[in-house]
Amino acid sequence: GNSVTQMEGPVTLSEEAFLTINCTYTATGYPSLFWYVQYPGEGLQLLLKATKADDKGSNKGFEATYRKETTSFHLEKGSVQVSDSAVYFCALSLKAAGNKLTFGGGTRVLVKP
Amino acid sequence: AAGVIQSPRHLIKEKRETATLKCYPIPRHDTVYWYQQGPGQDPQFLISFYEKMQSDKGSIPDRFSAQQFSDYHSELNMSSLELGDSALYFCASSFGRGMETQYFGPGTRLLVL
Repeated sequence: GNSVTQMEGPVTLSEEAFLTINCTYTATGYPSLFWYVQYPGEGLQLLLKATKADDKGSNKGFEATYRKETTSFHLEKGSVQVSDSAVYFCALSLKAAGNKLTFGGGTRVLVKP
Repeated sequence: AAGVIQSPRHLIKEKRETATLKCYPIPRHDTVYWYQQGPGQDPQFLISFYEKMQSDKGSIPDRFSAQQFSDYHSELNMSSLELGDSALYFCASSFGRGMETQYFGPGTRLLVL
C-alpha cells in the first residue's frame, strides 16, 4: 500500500536556525507530494506541493524537492522564526487511488526566541 | 478568498448519541473529502464524493454515513457514538476529479463523553 514516513519530533530550534524535516514515501505509481502545516488549534494549510519528479515546491521560505530516485520529499527552511512553530505533515496522493491524501505521522516543530 | 466552511466547530455528545457534521466546499469545488484526526495522530481518510456520488471509501465505520447534496455541501452522520470517535474531523474540497490539491476546512472537534 501507499505510505509516508517522516521524522519524529519534536524538533526544537532556535530562531534563525536551519530546519530540515525528512519525508520518504512508498507508492504504487507516481504520486503527487505535499507538505501541510497545522498551527495550534487550527486546521491544515497547504504549504507546498510537487507533482512530478525533480519539481521543487516553495512557499514562505520553505522548499521541498520531489526526488523519485530516493522516494523523498524533505522540507527545508534556511532561517526559521518563532511563528513557524507548528506540526508539519508530509502527504501523498495518487489519481489512481481517488486522490485521497495519505499522511505521515506529523513532525512538531518548536522554534524558541 | 472563500474557504471551506465546517459546522459546528465544536460538538460535545454522550455515548450512543448521534451527530451530524456539515461541510461547505469552496465555491465551484465539486469534490469533498472527509478525514478524521485522533489526538496526536495524523489525519485518516474516511470518505469522498465527486459530483454528489461517493467516489472512494476509507476507514469509515459502518456507524457513519455521508452524502453530498445538490449544492455540493456534504454531511457526515455519526450514530451510536463511542468514546473513540472523539477526534477532529476535517473536510477538504477540490475542483474536478483528478485535481490533486485539497483545501481543508478548520475542522469540527467532536468530544464524546
